[in-house]
Amino acid sequence: EPEVTQTPSHQVTQMGQEVILRCVPISNHLYFYWYRQILGQKVEFLVSFYNNEISEKSEIFDDQFSVERPDGSNFTLKIRSTKLEDSAMYFCATYMNTEAFFGQGTRLTVV
Amino acid sequence: QQPVQSPQAVILREGEDAVINCSSSKALYSVHWYRQKHGEAPVFLMILLKGGEQKGHDKISASFNEKKQQSSLYLTASQLSYSGTYFCGTEVGVNTGKLIFGQGTTLQVKP
Repeated sequence: EPEVTQTPSHQVTQMGQEVILRCVPISNHLYFYWYRQILGQKVEFLVSFYNNEISEKSEIFDDQFSVERPDGSNFTLKIRSTKLEDSAMYFCATYMNTEAFFGQGTRLTVV
Repeated sequence: QQPVQSPQAVILREGEDAVINCSSSKALYSVHWYRQKHGEAPVFLMILLKGGEQKGHDKISASFNEKKQQSSLYLTASQLSYSGTYFCGTEVGVNTGKLIFGQGTTLQVKP
């Protein structure tokens, strides 16, 4: 069964540091997403990416966030200067034929 | 824009039935249903597209009333493995794959 792979599974970083979360989407999928889930809360949309550019972003996705598809296979989420409130699970998802596939997530802890 | 789920929490005995509702104030293209176990990624259950349909597999089924902008998830003869948090994810307007999630319904099935 196809799957979305995320690395690392857990990252601890100091406040103010930059982090890059990585995702390998399912190969023939064209739509990519990042979602965030703060512990105990609902899943929140961050950004969608199609045809190598951002198609939509939420109000959470401010100037501290960026996404890239650097090499045609990986899909990355960068947080430039992490804040304590960025601590959350970050999920990458891809979409094809009306089904969304979620990766296992990266747990980001900002200390 | 966030869909509203009800109830917030359900406690069942094995073999009992449950219904989880998801209502939106916006016209929907589709509704996705996910189950999430603690510390894990959301797992896709099913999608319902506008046109008002009902779907199901095994003892889990769902309906989508496009006119009322709501969907219901039906869990019959619940099993212990059904425990978790159920989220509906709504696609507003068009087929973008961008999901806005409800706040979740926690289901606990006891022996």
